[in-house]
Amino acid sequence: EDKVVQSPLSLVVHEGDTVTLNCSYEVTNFRSLLWYKQEKKAPTFLFMLTSSGIEKKSGRLSSILDKKELSSILNITATQTGDSAIYLCAVSGGGADGLTFGKGTHLIIQP
Amino acid sequence: DAGITQSPRHKVTETGTPVTLRCHQTENHRYMYWYRQDPGHGLRLIHYSYGVKDTDKGEVSDGYSVSRSKTEDFLLTLESATSSQTSVYFCAISGVAGTEAFFGQGTRLTVV
Repeated sequence: EDKVVQSPLSLVVHEGDTVTLNCSYEVTNFRSLLWYKQEKKAPTFLFMLTSSGIEKKSGRLSSILDKKELSSILNITATQTGDSAIYLCAVSGGGADGLTFGKGTHLIIQP
Repeated sequence: DAGITQSPRHKVTETGTPVTLRCHQTENHRYMYWYRQDPGHGLRLIHYSYGVKDTDKGEVSDGYSVSRSKTEDFLLTLESATSSQTSVYFCAISGVAGTEAFFGQGTRLTVV
């Protein structure tokens, strides 16, 4: 059974801090790992990491895939209150063509 | 935003009644998915489609059926709703399996 574990499940930091969110996975035939941000509504896509693209960066957000350790991290530097959200990690490559999600990390940025 | 619309956005129904949720896309993407999101469980795949009339089961398919008669529409049906199916349902689309999926705004379904 495919499995995605995220840690921590919740995190409270102050504005300006740097945070690191973790994701580990077990999947039958890995194709990709994806990060999403979910505020009140639908998840919005952040990054996709594959064997040929193990590092991605966009502004203050960056992510790295470690295929040897079967894990990924999402870094957010100089956090802002607008970064408060649930961050979801998902993998593809199991039996179904959909994504297997972790339970998410609920990040709260205090002013 | 990807052109993906779910309807209805909110629904309250009684136990034992049939319910159909609709997902409509304007992106001509091949893949369409239905997920449910529940506290403590995250997003879980119910069913997905990889083409017109081509569908398959996901992790939590019991009690649900789907149909896709046109590229743009993917229907999720609860034949006889139960309280355990109270959830937020998300439709998603992607052009290629295993790549970024774009999500609809969700349908909050309450079964009383």
